[in-house]
Amino acid sequence: NAGVMQNPRHLVRRRGQEARLRCSPMKGHSHVYWYRQLPEEGLKFMVYLQKENIIDESGMPKERFSAEFPKEGPSILRIQQVVRGDSAAYFCASSPGTTGGTEAFFGQGTRLTVV
Amino acid sequence: AQSVAQPEDQVNVAEGNPLTVKCTYSVSGNPYLFWYVQYPNRGLQFLLKYITGDNLVKGSYGFEAEFNKSQTSFHLKKPSALVSDSALYFCAVSQFNAGNMLTFGGGTRLMVKP
Repeated sequence: NAGVMQNPRHLVRRRGQEARLRCSPMKGHSHVYWYRQLPEEGLKFMVYLQKENIIDESGMPKERFSAEFPKEGPSILRIQQVVRGDSAAYFCASSPGTTGGTEAFFGQGTRLTVV
Repeated sequence: AQSVAQPEDQVNVAEGNPLTVKCTYSVSGNPYLFWYVQYPNRGLQFLLKYITGDNLVKGSYGFEAEFNKSQTSFHLKKPSALVSDSALYFCAVSQFNAGNMLTFGGGTRLMVKP
């Protein structure tokens, strides 16, 4: 059973370009969470999605960031018109359900560098 | 709103000695508490969790944590540290009605010296 798969592992974008980060949850998991980790900081929650639904996006910046989890295919975190401050590690996690206390499994992250 | 504090940016311990990484939390209602470990350029690996029941929770790699409701703490412990335990440790909290959205502490870097 493969774990949470994120790609690419590393992504370099010039300022103003778009970044697309992909996350395939563990088999059987229908809940996906995106977190951002700035250098030497903890992880900050961004968005929580189920298939075709955004459940909570309270941690998403109001502009340029969007996320989706379509019926088929991976979850996508999209950052438009990237700026240097977007440089960070973006982690995806998945869990099988909403029952509180179920541990989430994390992918290895996508490290975005904006030059 | 919920929050997690890890008061120590770094903990240094000699190999073979016991280690403690501190965590306190603030949440309305009953918390679900987690410890994760992160090795360089890797994702987070689950170590252990507290949901309910026995306050002493045992997890992976010999780690354990003690839930203390009165002190709102969930300190991570290990009786005998290994050099390979050197990594970044994160405490996190979630609530029963919030799916599995986690609020993380800022992390504590554990350095175990031979």
